[in-house]
Amino acid sequence: DVKVTQSSRYLVKRTGEKVFLECVQDMDHENMFWYRQDPGLGLRLIYFSYDVKMKEKGDIPEGYSVSREKKERFSLILESASTNQTSMYLCASSLASQRGREQYFGPGTRLTVT
Amino acid sequence: GDSVTQMEGPVTLSEEAFLTINCTYTATGYPSLFWYVQYPGEGLQLLLKATKADDKGSNKGFEATYRKETTSFHLEKGSVQVSDSAVYFCALSDRGGGADGLTFGKGTHLIIQP
Repeated sequence: DVKVTQSSRYLVKRTGEKVFLECVQDMDHENMFWYRQDPGLGLRLIYFSYDVKMKEKGDIPEGYSVSREKKERFSLILESASTNQTSMYLCASSLASQRGREQYFGPGTRLTVT
Repeated sequence: GDSVTQMEGPVTLSEEAFLTINCTYTATGYPSLFWYVQYPGEGLQLLLKATKADDKGSNKGFEATYRKETTSFHLEKGSVQVSDSAVYFCALSDRGGGADGLTFGKGTHLIIQP
């Protein structure tokens, strides 16, 4: 079974802190993704990566950055957390792009910024 | 840009009722279409998919047919169970480049009463 794990299920941080969300997948997938999920808005793509050290902006990259130093690990970084970044963050991975590839999701990290 | 529209709910049905959750999309190319399901406290998991027009995806008694002429991918099930209670997301994949980031609808919360 594909496993996508995220470092924390729940996280509480203060405004202005630097926040790291970690995601690890164990199936040698090339592609990795970060989404945020908000009530009434569904999931929105923040960043994705199709190879080590490669990254591309998604639909809402402002206020976020990412790092992919190893194939299995994809980190989401909030340089200076703000209250409007309180959300559920979901990581996903998939095999190299081919039409209709399934994405496998982690359980999510619920981040609260106070 | 690409977008997905689905009924938001909550949708409340009795056990053994017939289910339809509508989903329509806007895309510039020829997208792949997906239904994902999120059970309480869990990440998303793929329910079914279709990669070209007139394809029918099916799984666990759920079905959806890719209708290019109406740009729709409605989810149906003939007889729902209490265990089907979850949030259902319609999504499409239509991005160029090396990875398939998904565009999601806002999700439909389904509640099945015994």
